[in-house]
Amino acid sequence: GAVVSQHPSRVICKSGTSVKIECRSLDFQATTMFWYRQFPKQSLMLMATSNEGSKATYEQGVEKDKFLINHASLTLSTLTVTSAHPEDSSFYICSAPRVNTEAFFGQGTRLTVV
Amino acid sequence: AQSVTQLGSHVSVSEGALVLLRCNYSSSVPPYLFWYVQYPNQGLQLLLKYTTGATLVKGINGFEAEFKKSETSFHLTKPSAHMSDAAEYFCAVSVPINTDKLIFGTGTRLQVFP
Repeated sequence: GAVVSQHPSRVICKSGTSVKIECRSLDFQATTMFWYRQFPKQSLMLMATSNEGSKATYEQGVEKDKFLINHASLTLSTLTVTSAHPEDSSFYICSAPRVNTEAFFGQGTRLTVV
Repeated sequence: AQSVTQLGSHVSVSEGALVLLRCNYSSSVPPYLFWYVQYPNQGLQLLLKYTTGATLVKGINGFEAEFKKSETSFHLTKPSAHMSDAAEYFCAVSVPINTDKLIFGTGTRLQVFP
Protein backbone atom coordinates (compact mmCIF):
# COMPACT_ATOMS: atom_id res chain seq x y z
CA GLY A 1 0.00 0.00 0.00
CA ALA A 2 0.88 3.64 -0.08
CA VAL A 3 3.58 4.73 2.31
CA VAL A 4 4.77 8.07 3.49
CA SER A 5 8.22 8.16 4.97
CA GLN A 6 9.35 10.88 7.34
CA HIS A 7 12.95 11.44 8.36
CA PRO A 8 14.49 11.76 10.87
CA SER A 9 12.33 10.09 13.48
CA ARG A 10 14.15 11.82 16.29
CA VAL A 11 16.46 14.80 16.38
CA ILE A 12 18.11 16.74 19.15
CA CYS A 13 19.57 20.11 18.28
CA LYS A 14 21.06 23.07 20.03
CA SER A 15 19.11 26.25 20.47
CA GLY A 16 19.68 28.61 17.57
CA THR A 17 20.39 25.96 14.96
CA SER A 18 18.11 24.86 12.13
CA VAL A 19 16.63 21.44 11.59
CA LYS A 20 15.24 19.97 8.38
CA ILE A 21 12.56 17.30 8.35
CA GLU A 22 11.77 15.38 5.18
CA CYS A 23 8.48 13.85 4.13
CA ARG A 24 8.43 11.51 1.16
CA SER A 25 5.61 9.74 -0.60
CA LEU A 26 7.21 6.46 -1.60
CA ASP A 27 4.89 5.00 -4.22
CA PHE A 28 2.63 7.83 -5.30
CA GLN A 29 2.87 11.45 -6.25
CA ALA A 30 1.57 14.08 -3.90
CA THR A 31 1.03 17.59 -5.16
CA THR A 32 -0.07 18.53 -1.68
CA MET A 33 1.29 17.55 1.69
CA PHE A 34 0.33 18.69 5.15
CA TRP A 35 2.47 19.44 8.16
CA TYR A 36 1.09 19.02 11.68
CA ARG A 37 2.48 19.74 15.08
CA GLN A 38 1.52 17.77 18.13
CA PHE A 39 2.21 18.95 21.66
CA PRO A 40 2.41 16.38 24.46
CA LYS A 41 -0.96 14.85 25.23
CA GLN A 42 -2.66 17.12 22.72
CA SER A 43 -4.10 16.81 19.29
CA LEU A 44 -2.53 17.49 15.94
CA MET A 45 -2.61 21.08 14.85
CA LEU A 46 -2.31 21.80 11.16
CA MET A 47 0.62 24.12 10.55
CA ALA A 48 0.69 24.46 6.82
CA THR A 49 -0.22 23.03 3.47
CA SER A 50 2.74 22.30 1.23
CA ASN A 51 2.07 22.78 -2.47
CA GLU A 52 4.36 21.34 -5.12
CA GLY A 53 5.91 24.09 -7.20
CA SER A 54 4.38 26.95 -5.27
CA LYS A 55 4.40 28.62 -1.89
CA ALA A 56 3.08 26.85 1.14
CA THR A 57 -0.12 27.99 2.78
CA TYR A 58 0.27 28.60 6.49
CA GLU A 59 -2.41 28.41 9.13
CA GLN A 60 -3.12 31.43 11.26
CA GLY A 61 -0.53 31.99 13.94
CA VAL A 62 2.21 29.91 12.29
CA GLU A 63 5.35 31.88 11.50
CA LYS A 64 6.27 31.18 7.90
CA ASP A 65 9.78 32.54 8.34
CA LYS A 66 10.41 30.19 11.20
CA PHE A 67 8.89 27.09 9.65
CA LEU A 68 10.16 27.01 6.09
CA ILE A 69 8.42 24.60 3.78
CA ASN A 70 9.71 23.48 0.41
CA HIS A 71 7.86 21.13 -1.91
CA ALA A 72 10.33 20.84 -4.74
CA SER A 73 9.12 17.59 -6.24
CA LEU A 74 5.98 15.50 -6.40
CA THR A 75 7.31 13.10 -3.78
CA LEU A 76 9.17 15.31 -1.33
CA SER A 77 8.27 18.08 1.05
CA THR A 78 10.63 19.47 3.66
CA LEU A 79 9.99 21.43 6.82
CA THR A 80 12.89 23.45 8.20
CA VAL A 81 12.65 24.78 11.71
CA THR A 82 14.93 27.80 11.66
CA SER A 83 16.74 29.19 14.69
CA ALA A 84 15.12 26.57 16.86
CA HIS A 85 14.30 27.29 20.48
CA PRO A 86 13.21 24.96 23.28
CA GLU A 87 9.58 25.95 22.77
CA ASP A 88 9.81 24.49 19.28
CA SER A 89 10.32 21.07 20.79
CA SER A 90 7.42 18.98 19.63
CA PHE A 91 6.29 16.05 17.53
CA TYR A 92 5.96 16.99 13.87
CA ILE A 93 3.94 14.82 11.49
CA CYS A 94 3.41 15.10 7.77
CA SER A 95 0.65 13.65 5.67
CA ALA A 96 0.20 13.15 1.96
CA PRO A 97 -3.23 12.56 0.45
CA ARG A 98 -3.46 10.04 -2.35
CA VAL A 99 -6.04 10.72 -5.03
CA ASN A 100 -9.34 8.95 -4.44
CA THR A 101 -8.13 7.29 -1.27
CA GLU A 102 -7.01 8.61 2.05
CA ALA A 103 -4.29 10.78 3.51
CA PHE A 104 -1.27 8.78 4.60
CA PHE A 105 0.78 9.92 7.54
CA GLY A 106 4.48 9.81 8.13
CA GLN A 107 5.94 8.24 11.24
CA GLY A 108 6.52 11.62 12.83
CA THR A 109 9.63 13.45 14.02
CA ARG A 110 10.35 14.08 17.66
CA LEU A 111 12.28 17.35 17.85
CA THR A 112 14.05 18.28 21.06
CA VAL A 113 15.80 21.62 21.25
CA VAL A 114 18.28 21.96 24.09
CA ALA B 1 -16.28 26.01 10.23
CA GLN B 2 -15.72 22.47 11.38
CA SER B 3 -14.75 21.19 14.81
CA VAL B 4 -14.51 17.93 16.68
CA THR B 5 -15.04 17.18 20.34
CA GLN B 6 -13.86 13.98 21.91
CA LEU B 7 -15.40 13.35 25.29
CA GLY B 8 -12.98 11.76 27.69
CA SER B 9 -9.25 12.17 27.30
CA HIS B 10 -8.71 8.76 28.92
CA VAL B 11 -10.73 5.59 28.71
CA SER B 12 -9.83 2.40 30.54
CA VAL B 13 -11.37 -0.99 29.87
CA SER B 14 -10.63 -4.57 30.73
CA GLU B 15 -9.50 -6.96 28.07
CA GLY B 16 -12.58 -8.42 26.42
CA ALA B 17 -14.82 -5.53 27.41
CA LEU B 18 -16.66 -3.19 25.08
CA VAL B 19 -14.73 -0.18 23.82
CA LEU B 20 -16.66 3.06 23.30
CA LEU B 21 -14.85 6.23 22.32
CA ARG B 22 -17.04 9.28 21.83
CA CYS B 23 -16.81 11.88 19.12
CA ASN B 24 -19.13 14.75 18.33
CA TYR B 25 -18.65 17.09 15.44
CA SER B 26 -19.79 20.46 14.24
CA SER B 27 -19.99 21.22 10.56
CA SER B 28 -21.93 23.64 8.41
CA VAL B 29 -21.95 21.17 5.54
CA PRO B 30 -22.26 17.39 5.40
CA PRO B 31 -18.97 16.20 6.86
CA TYR B 32 -16.54 13.45 6.14
CA LEU B 33 -15.55 11.78 9.40
CA PHE B 34 -12.51 9.75 10.33
CA TRP B 35 -11.02 7.78 13.18
CA TYR B 36 -7.25 7.42 13.43
CA VAL B 37 -5.09 5.45 15.84
CA GLN B 38 -1.65 6.53 16.98
CA TYR B 39 0.83 4.30 18.74
CA PRO B 40 3.63 5.92 20.80
CA ASN B 41 6.03 8.00 18.75
CA GLN B 42 4.42 6.97 15.51
CA GLY B 43 2.28 8.58 12.88
CA LEU B 44 -1.42 8.03 12.45
CA GLN B 45 -3.14 5.04 10.93
CA LEU B 46 -6.62 5.28 9.50
CA LEU B 47 -9.11 3.01 11.27
CA LEU B 48 -12.19 3.92 9.30
CA LYS B 49 -13.97 6.77 7.59
CA TYR B 50 -17.46 7.89 6.71
CA THR B 51 -18.11 9.83 3.55
CA THR B 52 -21.58 9.03 2.23
CA GLY B 53 -23.92 6.07 2.15
CA ALA B 54 -24.21 3.52 4.93
CA THR B 55 -23.99 5.18 8.30
CA LEU B 56 -22.43 2.19 10.04
CA VAL B 57 -18.83 1.98 8.98
CA LYS B 58 -16.58 -0.97 9.66
CA GLY B 59 -12.85 -0.50 9.91
CA ILE B 60 -9.71 -2.41 10.65
CA ASN B 61 -8.97 -4.37 13.81
CA GLY B 62 -12.64 -4.97 14.55
CA PHE B 63 -13.55 -1.32 15.06
CA GLU B 64 -16.69 0.29 13.75
CA ALA B 65 -18.40 3.66 14.01
CA GLU B 66 -21.86 4.94 13.32
CA PHE B 67 -22.63 8.33 11.82
CA LYS B 68 -25.66 9.82 13.54
CA LYS B 69 -26.61 13.09 11.95
CA SER B 70 -29.35 13.86 14.47
CA GLU B 71 -26.85 13.57 17.29
CA THR B 72 -23.89 14.98 15.32
CA SER B 73 -21.93 12.01 16.59
CA PHE B 74 -19.49 9.44 15.22
CA HIS B 75 -18.65 7.21 18.16
CA LEU B 76 -16.08 4.45 17.79
CA THR B 77 -16.80 1.00 19.18
CA LYS B 78 -15.27 -2.43 19.40
CA PRO B 79 -17.13 -5.34 21.01
CA SER B 80 -14.13 -6.86 22.73
CA ALA B 81 -10.96 -4.99 23.64
CA HIS B 82 -7.55 -6.49 23.11
CA MET B 83 -4.34 -5.49 24.83
CA SER B 84 -2.96 -4.37 21.48
CA ASP B 85 -5.74 -1.79 21.19
CA ALA B 86 -4.06 0.41 23.79
CA ALA B 87 -3.18 3.60 21.93
CA GLU B 88 -4.29 7.17 21.28
CA TYR B 89 -7.38 7.57 19.12
CA PHE B 90 -8.25 10.67 17.18
CA CYS B 91 -11.52 11.63 15.58
CA ALA B 92 -11.27 14.00 12.64
CA VAL B 93 -13.56 15.86 10.27
CA SER B 94 -13.15 17.31 6.83
CA VAL B 95 -15.47 18.81 4.28
CA PRO B 96 -16.24 17.27 0.90
CA ILE B 97 -14.74 20.14 -1.04
CA ASN B 98 -11.42 19.74 0.72
CA THR B 99 -11.29 16.23 2.08
CA ASP B 100 -7.54 16.31 2.48
CA LYS B 101 -7.60 18.97 5.17
CA LEU B 102 -8.40 17.33 8.48
CA ILE B 103 -9.48 18.93 11.73
CA PHE B 104 -8.64 16.68 14.66
CA GLY B 105 -10.17 16.23 18.06
CA THR B 106 -8.02 16.30 21.15
CA GLY B 107 -7.67 12.54 21.26
CA THR B 108 -8.60 9.77 23.66
CA ARG B 109 -6.04 7.52 25.24
CA LEU B 110 -7.32 3.98 25.54
CA GLN B 111 -5.88 1.75 28.23
CA VAL B 112 -6.64 -1.94 28.29
CA PHE B 113 -6.14 -3.88 31.49
CA PRO B 114 -5.69 -7.65 31.62
